[in-house]
Amino acid sequence: GDSVTQMEGPVTLSEEAFLTINCTYTATGYPSLFWYVQYPGEGLQLLLKATKADDKGSNKGFEATYRKETTSFHLEKGSVQVSDSAVYFCALSDPYGANSKLTFGKGITLSVRP
Amino acid sequence: KAGVTQTPRYLIKTRGQQVTLSCSPISGHRSVSWYQQTPGQGLQFLFEYFSETQRNKGNFPGRFSGRQFSNSRSEMNVSTLELGDSALYLCASSLGQGWPDTQYFGPGTRLTVL
Repeated sequence: GDSVTQMEGPVTLSEEAFLTINCTYTATGYPSLFWYVQYPGEGLQLLLKATKADDKGSNKGFEATYRKETTSFHLEKGSVQVSDSAVYFCALSDPYGANSKLTFGKGITLSVRP
Repeated sequence: KAGVTQTPRYLIKTRGQQVTLSCSPISGHRSVSWYQQTPGQGLQFLFEYFSETQRNKGNFPGRFSGRQFSNSRSEMNVSTLELGDSALYLCASSLGQGWPDTQYFGPGTRLTVL
């Protein structure tokens, strides 16, 4: 079945450091890919998405490119802020059957220190 | 536009009891999906409702059930609660049609089973 693998965490960075969070997937067909972020005590917020190969999703300085050849969707940000501290989830949507089912990775906790 | 709302935000129940959680989707959204989030299993898909019909179902026992009303609001019920049902229950809404069908999450209901 479909699966998403995220790099092991947690990750601790200093403010203004470069961020990369790795995500790879296994799926039949061509799923859409998403990054969601969860701040303490809150639900998930959609950060960015990409729907086909070579698409780049971007939002709030974060970027991720849909790489079909490596089945990857790595999240990057050039300069992190303390306010970026949160849990980040990579997810894919089932390309067959119900559109609305999301398969998530385990999530990774990012802590940014001043 | 108002976001997805979930009530109550926190619940404490004892083993053997049953519980009902409520979710109001974004206006115009006809699909509501439910997810369980635990530290051990991460985010797992429970089920999805679209136009008052269950359209997709995850791998959970029959104690977990749901329904959707004509105004797209949804409820989730868990009967005969077990300690392992303690989790954050997240509801997500989407249009339910088209591709991709992006999901927007509510803040969640934190259920504690004692």
